[in-house]
Amino acid sequence: AQTVTQSQPEMSVQEAETVTLSCTYDTSESDYYLFWYKQPPSRQMILVIRQEAYKQQNATENRFSVNFQKAAKSFSLKISDSQLGDAAMYFCAYRRLNSGNTPLVFGKGTRLSVIA
Amino acid sequence: DVKVTQSSRYLVKRTGEKVFLECVQDMDHENMFWYRQDPGLGLRLIYFSYDVKMKEKGDIPEGYSVSREKKERFSLILESASTNQTSMYLCASSLLARTALDQPQHFGDGTRLSIL
Repeated sequence: AQTVTQSQPEMSVQEAETVTLSCTYDTSESDYYLFWYKQPPSRQMILVIRQEAYKQQNATENRFSVNFQKAAKSFSLKISDSQLGDAAMYFCAYRRLNSGNTPLVFGKGTRLSVIA
Repeated sequence: DVKVTQSSRYLVKRTGEKVFLECVQDMDHENMFWYRQDPGLGLRLIYFSYDVKMKEKGDIPEGYSVSREKKERFSLILESASTNQTSMYLCASSLLARTALDQPQHFGDGTRLSIL
């Protein structure tokens, strides 16, 4: 079974600084998708960024980028120029590629605080 | 924009009651999911459904059942609520098509359920 591990329960960053959230996963599959979701205090889960395993290029979305290391099964999220609105729970998630009804497997989350 | 609507944001019930949590999505998604979220445990999948009247057990189905009579609606049922089912419950939906595997799950705002 696939597992997703987020080893940092809590992180903090100064406003305007850069922070990296770590995520590792365990799978025997060669093709899959990886996601980062953000959950602010409003509780709405919001997709931040996604990465296809067969793509070597790291995904980027504005201030958010990933460092995808397939051999190491690592998928870290880098937030540049951190803003107060980035404070939230961040969840890393994995999806197999074999069928369309495959659920996501989530890590336990990292709570990010942004210090003004 | 996809909208996933959970019927209650907060709910308080008593031990032994039968509890219904309702979820409706408006984007004709085939897949629907129920998760519970607990501090330090992340999101854990209870049940999911990829078609009307179809259901699949997730990681923690014990004490729960589900109903999918219409494509847009997915209900989570606590047959006899217990205090250990006090939690945040999140509903999500997504497309089924294999070509849509990179598409994210869309989440509702969550129901915070307290069992007294």
